[in-house]
Amino acid sequence: EAGVVQSPRYKIIEKKQPVAFWCNPISGHNTLYWYRQNLGQGPELLIRYENEEAVDDSQLPKDRFSAERLKGVDSTLKIQPAELGDSAVYLCASSPGGGQPQHFGDGTRLSIL
Amino acid sequence: SQQGEEDPQALSIQEGENATMNCSYKTSINNLQWYRQNSGRGLVHLILIRSNEREKHSGRLRVTLDTSKKSSSLLITASRAADTASYFCATDAGSQGNLIFGKGTKLSVKP
Repeated sequence: EAGVVQSPRYKIIEKKQPVAFWCNPISGHNTLYWYRQNLGQGPELLIRYENEEAVDDSQLPKDRFSAERLKGVDSTLKIQPAELGDSAVYLCASSPGGGQPQHFGDGTRLSIL
Repeated sequence: SQQGEEDPQALSIQEGENATMNCSYKTSINNLQWYRQNSGRGLVHLILIRSNEREKHSGRLRVTLDTSKKSSSLLITASRAADTASYFCATDAGSQGNLIFGKGTKLSVKP
């Protein structure tokens, strides 16, 4: 099966600019996650979707971050405006749900100048 | 916040040796999972052990879980250079099924 696909792989922007990341999960996986991974740390959950519904966005900084999952398949994560502290790798993962293991994409490495 | 803490933070061994990584956590869990991350790549699921299990094997991997001590260990036997990666434990505490990851152990296997 095709894995989780993320794009772009790298993004360099100046602070205060907007940026968007895209994720295509594994076909049939109802649950989709966005994580942020800082250098030398483990991933930290930003938001979790069950189909098209965001069921846990408690860790999403809603003043500048937004996400959507139209039709319960692809998802986008947006930051506007970006701040220096947003430099990190943004990972998308999907799973069939029910506590099944998560499958990760290779992430988008974001650098803020 | 991160619940799991891996130990050691970094481990360097020779090919053929065994590698042991430990993970401690704070709250009750439904299951604990181990993931591997190669440099510049996403995480790959290795093994899941449920709270009522004490040991699990998968190929060269052996995972133990001690819920009384809130700790787990991952043993990689007969390591290979290709095992060089960061290894993360992640706990499923049952709160909406979300995983909480530790900071990881960076394993280097020298040929």
